[in-house]
Amino acid sequence: QVQLKESGPGLVAPSQSLSITCTVSGFSLTGYGVNWVRQPPGKGLEWLGMIWGDGSTDYNSALKSRLSISKDNSKSQVFLKMNSLQTDDTARYYCARDSGNSYAMDYWGQGTSVTVSS
Amino acid sequence: DIQMTQSPASLSVSVGETVTITCRASENIYSNLAWYQQKQGKSPQLLVYAATNLADGVPSRFSGSGSGTQYSLKINSLQSEDFGSYYCQHFWGTPYTFGGGTKLEIK
Repeated sequence: QVQLKESGPGLVAPSQSLSITCTVSGFSLTGYGVNWVRQPPGKGLEWLGMIWGDGSTDYNSALKSRLSISKDNSKSQVFLKMNSLQTDDTARYYCARDSGNSYAMDYWGQGTSVTVSS
Repeated sequence: DIQMTQSPASLSVSVGETVTITCRASENIYSNLAWYQQKQGKSPQLLVYAATNLADGVPSRFSGSGSGTQYSLKINSLQSEDFGSYYCQHFWGTPYTFGGGTKLEIK
């Protein structure tokens, strides 16, 4: 069955960078895109960006200068890297599969909580 | 970027009632819209895709409608398991913006 699972550092110091890995199973990264979404505590969802099956990427324009998404198809892993973190980057970070033709995110990981604090 | 305005932000309702949540896009998104449900402490789950199509396993009391810039999610005969937060999201070109969310609470 389709599964996604995020793993991250938990705590990041201000101005440092964040790296999160999304490990997927039950589908191939060459056939599906993967999105990254975050949710600050008590707030709504924010789309961060995605990597398509062919490896091309799209980013939230507000965060584009700080974000990088990449993947390793052979390891079924997608990577999110964000630079220059500040306290308002504290959030739960999710990866979610792009459903393809139906234009939705059909499977989500459990998310990983990231706190930016010294 | 396309902006998604969702309303209401919160709603207090009783079991058995019918509710409608709306989402307005800042431009025509040609029915490229999804709805998600998120329960407290859980990941969002897909409810509706392409504005009107129920995702697998979603009860028929949920329905999506709309076109152009205006979309709605209707829940008939609310059940206790339906309480939580709901989000719309457009897919008419990146960035795939979410609406601000609607928190559905028990009256």
